[in-house]
Amino acid sequence: SQQGEEDPQALSIQEGENATMNCSYKTSINNLQWYRQNSGRGLVHLILIRSNEREKHSGRLRVTLDTSKKSSSLLITASRAADTASYFCATEGNQFYFGTGTSLTVIP
Amino acid sequence: EAEVAQSPRYKITEKSQAVAFWCDPISGHATLYWYRQILGQGPELLVQFQDESVVDDSQLPKDRFSAERLKGVDSTLKIQPAELGDSAMYLCASSPRTGVAYEQYFGPGTRLTVT
Repeated sequence: SQQGEEDPQALSIQEGENATMNCSYKTSINNLQWYRQNSGRGLVHLILIRSNEREKHSGRLRVTLDTSKKSSSLLITASRAADTASYFCATEGNQFYFGTGTSLTVIP
Repeated sequence: EAEVAQSPRYKITEKSQAVAFWCDPISGHATLYWYRQILGQGPELLVQFQDESVVDDSQLPKDRFSAERLKGVDSTLKIQPAELGDSAMYLCASSPRTGVAYEQYFGPGTRLTVT
């Protein structure tokens, strides 16, 4: 079973635009992580935010966490064609769960 | 840069046959995970090891799946007998330890097709 659900399921934007994807989860967590997966490949860790943090930045990535709403968002600024991939949130509490993923396409 | 190794990369097998996957985590990583990812979905945790001990195998279909990490280093995931519904990507990941906020490092995966 998967605890997280992501929205939207698919997103298509022009290069240079910002991309925002959201993750909702069901139970209490210790931390939430975001991963990227290029087609048919393994996952790559992007960023981790702890349950006592509200916002975190890493390069062109900005992650927010609202534990009262059990939700998180990932913002990718100034998108590039190379950002085309699937993005997954993953929650770590008593168990580790991945979300359903958002498929991002950045059009050159 | 150290990587998680998996083999084989691709496997085609007939239903009712046995199949095995191998994973070698990053050296020194105590925690090892096996995931199953069906096309279009997120990875689903099958089993988690801390050193050689199973920490979580609640989602592992134990009637046909087994996993071991005998010396607390590399690991093998076995399916016997394989069913058509087992067709998926099998991902292995490792992290320095569990219980704290560590990222997971993933291998390239094994794509299994059951015919």
